[in-house]
Amino acid sequence: AQSVTQPDIHITVSEGASLELRCNYSYGATPYLFWYVQSPGQGLQLLLKYFSGDTLVQGIKGFEAEFKRSQSSFNLRKPSVHWSDAAEYFCAVGTDGNEKLTFGTGTRLTIIP
Amino acid sequence: DARVTQTPRHKVTEMGQEVTMRCQPILGHNTVFWYRQTMMQGLELLAYFRNRAPLDDSGMPKDRFSAEMPDATLATLKIQPSEPRDSAVYFCASGLSGTLWELFFGEGSRLTVL
Repeated sequence: AQSVTQPDIHITVSEGASLELRCNYSYGATPYLFWYVQSPGQGLQLLLKYFSGDTLVQGIKGFEAEFKRSQSSFNLRKPSVHWSDAAEYFCAVGTDGNEKLTFGTGTRLTIIP
Repeated sequence: DARVTQTPRHKVTEMGQEVTMRCQPILGHNTVFWYRQTMMQGLELLAYFRNRAPLDDSGMPKDRFSAEMPDATLATLKIQPSEPRDSAVYFCASGLSGTLWELFFGEGSRLTVL
């Protein structure tokens, strides 16, 4: 069975600084990988997804993520964060033949002025 | 702007009471998921439907939880009787088979059982 690990429970970043959120997955074959964002009091919103092809994927709100098979990772990055990026971020994995997404435990991002 | 609508947004009830949460998926979406979010367990999949038929409810406590889709525009999640450990935020999400995992989430129903 597939699994997702987000090693960082909480990250604090200064506004304007760069950001990298870590995600590691466990799955025998090529996974389908996702990042979702949850703003306070809201549901989750899809930021970006990786199915195949180019390992660097672009998403909404200026986010990108890179799939690294050798490291079983799919880290989320943003070159310069804005106060509105404060939220909880979830990495998720889907696999062929399984319609269910497996979510990580989330990383809470705090932005300081 | 198409979105998933959930009601109620907040519910406080006493132990033993019946609770019903409702979800209106995005028009045209044929797959509906129910998730529960708690601090301890994170996001857990409770059940999901395709074309109104239940495909998997293995994540749901069978003795007290039930999920249905009376029609394509309404999904319900019922808890009877409710217990304090059911306190959580319950999310509904919808999607299209063929674009699976690209889920659209509602804003959630926050349930508190006293």
